[in-house]
Amino acid sequence: RKEVEQDPGPFNVPEGATVAFNCTYSNSASQSFFWYRQDCRKEPKLLMSVYSSGNEDGRFTAQLNRASQYISLLIRDSKLSDSATYLCVVNIGDDKIIFGKGTRLHILP
Amino acid sequence: SAVISQKPSRDICQRGTSLTIQCQVDSQVTMMFWYRQQPGQSLTLIATANQGSEATYESGFVIDKFPISRPNLTFSTLTVSNMSPEDSSIYLCSVEDARTASTDTQYFGPGTRLTVL
Repeated sequence: RKEVEQDPGPFNVPEGATVAFNCTYSNSASQSFFWYRQDCRKEPKLLMSVYSSGNEDGRFTAQLNRASQYISLLIRDSKLSDSATYLCVVNIGDDKIIFGKGTRLHILP
Repeated sequence: SAVISQKPSRDICQRGTSLTIQCQVDSQVTMMFWYRQQPGQSLTLIATANQGSEATYESGFVIDKFPISRPNLTFSTLTVSNMSPEDSSIYLCSVEDARTASTDTQYFGPGTRLTVL
């Protein structure tokens, strides 16, 4: 099993819709989880950290399920500007983070 | 978050040559990292750049191929040595920003796009 797995997509979603994608991780000792956003030919940028209690930032909600070892990202009322690749990132300790390969999201007008 | 710059932003190099990439941060940071992102792939950690000591390399990466310097807490360089076309990639530096609440959050420089002919 890969350390961090994501559905590569692409997810083609009409503007205004809600979209969700998951990421699974293999290291049960992982403590920190993040979602990064990467636009084409740009560097990854932190979207949000994922806490055990889940967290919400505007239209974005992240959840963590330790029992099943997955994290999720929900985007409500999607905008054209949400089109990007979303990278799931897991901290495996010793300041090392592992990136998933990303899920491509296309918001359609 | 910290402001990170990289030079060069892109380069096209001949095989067998070497390229040194610079990473500059606007504040002192303890942890600096170098990543590679090959076309269509996610990021892979090359090494952790340690100030005042040798870098710590990940499996599959060696100092002779990717020598790293970290002379102070705001600057690091990565050299890609004896390049081959397989080294064509985006190289990114990242830092952990001690000013953020989460000390294990990493922030990335804009990357260096390297093409080896």
